Amino acid sequence: QSALTQPRSVSGSPGQSVTISCIGTSSDVGGYNYVSWYQQHPGKAPKLMICDVSERPSGVPDRFSGSKSGNTASLTISGLQAEDEADYYCCSSAGSSAGSYTWVFGGGTKLTVL
Amino acid sequence: QVHLVESGGGVVQPGGSLRLSCAASGFTFHNYGIHWLRQAPGKGLEWVALIWTDGSKTYYADSVRGRFTISRDNSRNTMSLQMNSLGPEDTAVYFCARSTRYHFDYWGQGTLVTVSS
Repeated sequence: QSALTQPRSVSGSPGQSVTISCIGTSSDVGGYNYVSWYQQHPGKAPKLMICDVSERPSGVPDRFSGSKSGNTASLTISGLQAEDEADYYCCSSAGSSAGSYTWVFGGGTKLTVL
Repeated sequence: QVHLVESGGGVVQPGGSLRLSCAASGFTFHNYGIHWLRQAPGKGLEWVALIWTDGSKTYYADSVRGRFTISRDNSRNTMSLQMNSLGPEDTAVYFCARSTRYHFDYWGQGTLVTVSS
């Protein structure tokens, strides 16, 4: 599996909304509803923000939302706050295809809050 | 409170071996699969391996299959990654993470592995 494609960087002002795209193929993003998104601050462990394309784990602000259309998944952050500045990674599983499991990540997107 | 703590990282020469450990607490360990993931310096995340709840099944990324072995001890709430034939491309922070369906819901803070002569 090849890595998923994300923009290297996005930016927005406090209060604005930004969307980060994640382009895969029909073998991963497009074929399964197993897309997840992770936030990582410098020197810290990643944190799960969205799972199963659009589900928000407990404790994640509802400013964060996920969606998918075809082979492209998206993470939208509305009402940007300074603490949202971080790296964001998308991930997709291809489920249990051919009796095996595997996960593929995007290259990461650096979000800058201006 | 879910807690995962990695240990065992360090500097190892090319071709060498290293064993990482992950200690879990705050949840019923034997009910969850556990993953290893890694992040090379300044790079993105890479999934490495998964072990099922009872250790009966394991899965590996192509980049490590045949060199790395994942195992677990449910009596001690620990999981390990034995890494052999290490190369510079294996230099990374290694994270253990709890598996929930097809995502990673809790992560440890990571342990750094440096492969260098």
